Amino acid sequence: AQKITQTQPGMFVQEKEAVTLDCTYDTSDPSYGLFWYKQPSSGEMIFLIYQGSYDQQNATEGRYSLNFQKARKSANLVISASQLGDSAMYFCAMREGPDQAGTALIFGKGTTLSVSS
Amino acid sequence: DGGITQSPKYLFRKEGQNVTLSCEQNLNHDAMYWYRQDPGQGLRLIYYSQIVNDFQKGDIAEGYSVSREKKESFPLTVTSAQKNPTAFYLCASSSWDNLPDTQYFGPGTRLTVL
Repeated sequence: AQKITQTQPGMFVQEKEAVTLDCTYDTSDPSYGLFWYKQPSSGEMIFLIYQGSYDQQNATEGRYSLNFQKARKSANLVISASQLGDSAMYFCAMREGPDQAGTALIFGKGTTLSVSS
Repeated sequence: DGGITQSPKYLFRKEGQNVTLSCEQNLNHDAMYWYRQDPGQGLRLIYYSQIVNDFQKGDIAEGYSVSREKKESFPLTVTSAQKNPTAFYLCASSSWDNLPDTQYFGPGTRLTVL
Protein backbone atom coordinates (compact mmCIF):
# COMPACT_ATOMS: atom_id res chain seq x y z
CA ALA A 1 0.00 0.00 0.00
CA GLN A 2 1.20 3.47 -0.76
CA LYS A 3 2.24 5.48 2.24
CA ILE A 4 1.71 8.84 0.55
CA THR A 5 -1.10 9.32 -1.96
CA GLN A 6 -1.56 12.34 -4.14
CA THR A 7 -4.67 11.70 -6.20
CA GLN A 8 -4.54 14.77 -8.45
CA PRO A 9 -2.09 14.29 -11.31
CA GLY A 10 -2.77 17.83 -12.53
CA MET A 11 -4.50 20.95 -11.26
CA PHE A 12 -5.31 24.15 -13.09
CA VAL A 13 -5.92 27.52 -11.44
CA GLN A 14 -6.09 31.15 -12.47
CA GLU A 15 -3.84 33.80 -11.05
CA LYS A 16 -4.93 35.20 -7.68
CA GLU A 17 -7.17 32.25 -6.94
CA ALA A 18 -6.56 29.80 -4.11
CA VAL A 19 -5.86 26.13 -4.81
CA THR A 20 -5.76 23.02 -2.63
CA LEU A 21 -3.45 20.11 -3.40
CA ASP A 22 -4.46 16.87 -1.74
CA CYS A 23 -2.27 14.48 0.21
CA THR A 24 -3.26 11.47 2.28
CA TYR A 25 -0.82 9.37 4.23
CA ASP A 26 -0.68 6.02 5.93
CA THR A 27 1.37 5.26 9.01
CA SER A 28 0.91 3.48 12.31
CA ASP A 29 3.70 5.46 13.95
CA PRO A 30 2.30 8.09 16.36
CA SER A 31 5.26 10.36 15.65
CA TYR A 32 5.74 11.57 12.10
CA GLY A 33 6.30 14.67 10.03
CA LEU A 34 4.75 15.85 6.81
CA PHE A 35 6.52 18.01 4.26
CA TRP A 36 5.58 19.73 1.04
CA TYR A 37 8.11 20.45 -1.68
CA LYS A 38 7.87 22.37 -4.93
CA GLN A 39 9.77 21.20 -8.00
CA PRO A 40 9.90 23.71 -10.86
CA SER A 41 10.96 22.63 -14.33
CA SER A 42 14.61 23.20 -13.38
CA GLY A 43 14.36 20.11 -11.19
CA GLU A 44 15.47 21.41 -7.82
CA MET A 45 13.25 20.48 -4.85
CA ILE A 46 12.26 23.52 -2.81
CA PHE A 47 10.99 23.03 0.75
CA LEU A 48 7.69 24.81 1.38
CA ILE A 49 6.12 23.81 4.68
CA TYR A 50 6.24 21.29 7.52
CA GLN A 51 3.65 19.81 9.89
CA GLY A 52 4.53 17.61 12.84
CA SER A 53 2.11 14.96 14.02
CA TYR A 54 1.87 16.53 17.47
CA ASP A 55 1.44 20.08 16.25
CA GLN A 56 -1.88 21.46 17.45
CA GLN A 57 -2.19 24.15 14.85
CA ASN A 58 -2.04 24.01 11.08
CA ALA A 59 1.28 25.17 9.71
CA THR A 60 1.48 28.36 7.68
CA GLU A 61 4.33 29.90 5.67
CA GLY A 62 3.41 33.02 3.77
CA ARG A 63 0.96 32.07 1.02
CA TYR A 64 1.23 28.38 1.93
CA SER A 65 -0.82 26.70 4.60
CA LEU A 66 -1.33 23.09 5.49
CA ASN A 67 -4.80 21.76 6.21
CA PHE A 68 -3.89 18.99 8.63
CA GLN A 69 -6.69 16.55 9.49
CA LYS A 70 -5.07 13.92 11.63
CA ALA A 71 -8.07 11.62 12.03
CA ARG A 72 -8.53 11.51 8.27
CA LYS A 73 -4.76 11.23 7.70
CA SER A 74 -4.74 14.09 5.28
CA ALA A 75 -2.31 16.99 4.90
CA ASN A 76 -3.53 19.17 2.06
CA LEU A 77 -1.48 22.12 0.85
CA VAL A 78 -3.37 25.36 0.30
CA ILE A 79 -1.79 28.04 -1.87
CA SER A 80 -3.54 31.37 -1.60
CA ALA A 81 -3.44 34.05 -4.28
CA SER A 82 -1.75 31.88 -6.92
CA GLN A 83 0.99 33.39 -9.03
CA LEU A 84 2.37 32.36 -12.42
CA GLY A 85 5.59 31.34 -10.67
CA ASP A 86 3.66 28.74 -8.69
CA SER A 87 3.42 26.56 -11.79
CA ALA A 88 5.43 23.47 -10.86
CA MET A 89 5.22 19.93 -9.56
CA TYR A 90 4.32 19.64 -5.88
CA PHE A 91 5.28 16.70 -3.71
CA CYS A 92 3.97 15.61 -0.34
CA ALA A 93 6.43 13.63 1.78
CA MET A 94 6.42 11.92 5.16
CA ARG A 95 9.04 11.13 7.77
CA GLU A 96 8.00 8.22 9.99
CA GLY A 97 9.28 8.29 13.53
CA PRO A 98 10.52 11.07 15.79
CA ASP A 99 12.01 14.31 14.60
CA GLN A 100 15.71 13.64 14.04
CA ALA A 101 18.15 14.06 11.21
CA GLY A 102 18.95 11.00 9.18
CA THR A 103 15.49 9.61 8.60
CA ALA A 104 14.56 9.27 4.97
CA LEU A 105 11.43 10.76 3.47
CA ILE A 106 8.70 8.86 1.66
CA PHE A 107 7.38 10.82 -1.30
CA GLY A 108 4.10 10.82 -3.15
CA LYS A 109 4.00 10.87 -6.94
CA GLY A 110 3.27 14.56 -7.11
CA THR A 111 0.69 16.96 -8.52
CA THR A 112 1.42 19.26 -11.43
CA LEU A 113 0.00 22.74 -10.85
CA SER A 114 -0.55 25.06 -13.79
CA VAL A 115 -1.36 28.70 -13.11
CA SER A 116 -2.79 30.78 -15.95
CA SER A 117 -3.23 34.53 -16.32
CA ASP B 1 26.66 31.12 0.00
CA GLY B 2 25.72 27.96 1.85
CA GLY B 3 24.15 25.22 -0.15
CA ILE B 4 24.35 21.87 -1.83
CA THR B 5 26.12 21.42 -5.12
CA GLN B 6 25.83 18.50 -7.48
CA SER B 7 27.96 17.87 -10.49
CA PRO B 8 27.73 17.39 -13.33
CA LYS B 9 24.28 18.70 -14.22
CA TYR B 10 24.03 16.32 -17.18
CA LEU B 11 25.88 13.04 -17.53
CA PHE B 12 25.97 10.56 -20.36
CA ARG B 13 27.26 7.06 -19.89
CA LYS B 14 27.72 4.06 -22.09
CA GLU B 15 26.25 0.79 -20.98
CA GLY B 16 28.66 -1.21 -18.85
CA GLN B 17 30.46 1.81 -17.44
CA ASN B 18 30.52 2.94 -13.84
CA VAL B 19 29.94 6.62 -13.20
CA THR B 20 30.22 8.76 -10.06
CA LEU B 21 27.89 11.63 -9.20
CA SER B 22 29.23 14.31 -6.91
CA CYS B 23 27.35 15.87 -3.97
CA GLU B 24 28.95 18.50 -1.74
CA GLN B 25 27.37 20.63 1.00
CA ASN B 26 28.77 23.51 3.02
CA LEU B 27 25.82 23.73 5.41
CA ASN B 28 27.61 21.69 8.09
CA HIS B 29 24.75 19.22 7.92
CA ASP B 30 25.19 15.81 9.50
CA ALA B 31 22.95 13.66 7.34
CA MET B 32 23.04 13.27 3.58
CA TYR B 33 20.79 11.39 1.18
CA TRP B 34 20.56 10.23 -2.41
CA TYR B 35 17.23 9.94 -4.19
CA ARG B 36 16.30 8.84 -7.67
CA GLN B 37 13.42 10.34 -9.66
CA ASP B 38 11.95 8.77 -12.78
CA PRO B 39 9.69 10.73 -15.16
CA GLY B 40 6.31 11.52 -13.63
CA GLN B 41 7.25 9.85 -10.38
CA GLY B 42 8.13 10.79 -6.85
CA LEU B 43 11.55 10.39 -5.30
CA ARG B 44 12.86 7.04 -4.13
CA LEU B 45 15.66 6.65 -1.61
CA ILE B 46 18.89 5.03 -2.73
CA TYR B 47 21.25 5.52 0.22
CA TYR B 48 21.57 7.78 3.22
CA SER B 49 24.23 8.62 5.77
CA GLN B 50 23.72 10.00 9.25
CA ILE B 51 27.39 10.46 10.12
CA VAL B 52 30.81 10.21 8.52
CA ASN B 53 31.97 6.68 7.66
CA ASP B 54 28.48 5.27 8.05
CA PHE B 55 25.64 4.82 5.57
CA GLN B 56 22.51 2.73 5.09
CA LYS B 57 20.74 1.29 2.09
CA GLY B 58 17.46 2.75 1.00
CA ASP B 59 14.67 1.12 -0.98
CA ILE B 60 16.54 0.85 -4.29
CA ALA B 61 20.23 0.45 -3.39
CA GLU B 62 20.99 -2.39 -5.80
CA GLY B 63 23.50 -1.34 -8.44
CA TYR B 64 24.62 1.74 -6.49
CA SER B 65 27.41 2.42 -4.01
CA VAL B 66 28.33 5.39 -1.81
CA SER B 67 31.04 6.61 0.51
CA ARG B 68 31.07 9.20 3.30
CA GLU B 69 34.69 9.96 4.09
CA LYS B 70 34.06 13.64 4.78
CA LYS B 71 31.09 15.35 6.39
CA GLU B 72 30.56 17.62 3.42
CA SER B 73 30.75 15.02 0.66
CA PHE B 74 28.57 12.04 -0.29
CA PRO B 75 29.39 10.74 -3.79
CA LEU B 76 27.16 8.18 -5.49
CA THR B 77 28.54 5.61 -7.91
CA VAL B 78 26.17 4.09 -10.41
CA THR B 79 27.64 0.74 -11.33
CA SER B 80 27.14 -1.40 -14.40
CA ALA B 81 24.97 -3.66 -12.24
CA GLN B 82 22.24 -1.03 -12.18
CA LYS B 83 19.91 -2.25 -14.92
CA ASN B 84 18.07 0.96 -15.69
CA PRO B 85 20.15 3.90 -14.49
CA THR B 86 18.70 6.62 -16.71
CA ALA B 87 17.03 8.98 -14.24
CA PHE B 88 17.28 12.27 -12.35
CA TYR B 89 19.40 12.00 -9.20
CA LEU B 90 18.91 14.33 -6.26
CA CYS B 91 21.15 14.74 -3.26
CA ALA B 92 19.87 16.20 0.01
CA SER B 93 21.14 17.01 3.48
CA SER B 94 19.71 17.74 6.92
CA SER B 95 21.00 18.76 10.32
CA TRP B 96 20.70 17.46 13.87
CA ASP B 97 20.88 21.07 15.02
CA ASN B 98 17.99 22.29 12.92
CA LEU B 99 14.84 20.42 13.79
CA PRO B 100 12.44 19.65 12.24
CA ASP B 101 14.79 17.62 10.10
CA THR B 102 14.00 19.40 6.89
CA GLN B 103 15.94 18.01 3.97
CA TYR B 104 17.41 20.55 1.58
CA PHE B 105 18.15 19.47 -1.95
CA GLY B 106 20.80 20.12 -4.54
CA PRO B 107 20.00 20.98 -8.16
CA GLY B 108 20.23 17.37 -9.34
CA THR B 109 22.14 15.40 -11.96
CA ARG B 110 20.39 14.02 -15.00
CA LEU B 111 22.00 10.72 -16.04
CA THR B 112 21.39 9.21 -19.44
CA VAL B 113 22.71 5.83 -20.46
CA LEU B 114 23.35 5.55 -24.17
